[in-house]
Amino acid sequence: QVQLVESGGGVVQPGKSLRLSCAASGFTFSNFDMHWVRQAPGKGLEWVAVISYDGSAKFYVDSVKGRFTISRDNSKNTLYLQMNSLRAEDTAVYYCAKDRDDIQLCPDYWGQGTLVTVSS
Amino acid sequence: DIQMTQSPSSLSASVGDRVTITCRASQSISTFLNWYQQKPGKAPKLLIYAASTLQGGVPSRFSGSGSGTDFTLTITSLQPEDFATYYCQQSYESPPLTFGGGTKVEIK
Repeated sequence: QVQLVESGGGVVQPGKSLRLSCAASGFTFSNFDMHWVRQAPGKGLEWVAVISYDGSAKFYVDSVKGRFTISRDNSKNTLYLQMNSLRAEDTAVYYCAKDRDDIQLCPDYWGQGTLVTVSS
Repeated sequence: DIQMTQSPSSLSASVGDRVTITCRASQSISTFLNWYQQKPGKAPKLLIYAASTLQGGVPSRFSGSGSGTDFTLTITSLQPEDFATYYCQQSYESPPLTFGGGTKVEIK
């Protein structure tokens, strides 16, 4: 069965960096586009970034462009999110999610999330 | 960017009730519309994709309809496990992929 397990969250000071990881299993990771989606405490879902199955294409929400970098290592079945210059408004639970195989931009399986808190 | 607007933002209903949630897109998105259910402290779960197709394992009391800019999620005969927050999401174009603000379904 599909399993996505995020790690790397924690408390970090504003302006600092953090790297999130998402370990995938139960499906052929290298065949699927992957997303990061976040949810601030008590708020709704906000899409952050997507990476194509081979890593050749990456897209971001405007609020993280130039600060966050999505990447993947298909040999390790792992998705990453490098977060630099963190701000208080980046505080959220970060979920990784895989796309459906027949419809793009439709995350069908999600990890349990990892909490990132940006605070001094 | 395509804006997604859900209504209502919350509702109270009883077990056995029929519940309808609406989602409106700021431009036509054909049937590129997905619905998710999220329970407190849990990850979102895909319920319906392409406006009306049930994800595998989702009970048939859930249904979706609509095309263009107006969509609905209907739950016939609400069950205790259906109390949750529901989100619509457009998959017509990205970036960015956008979600509605959510509809919280609470127990009356």
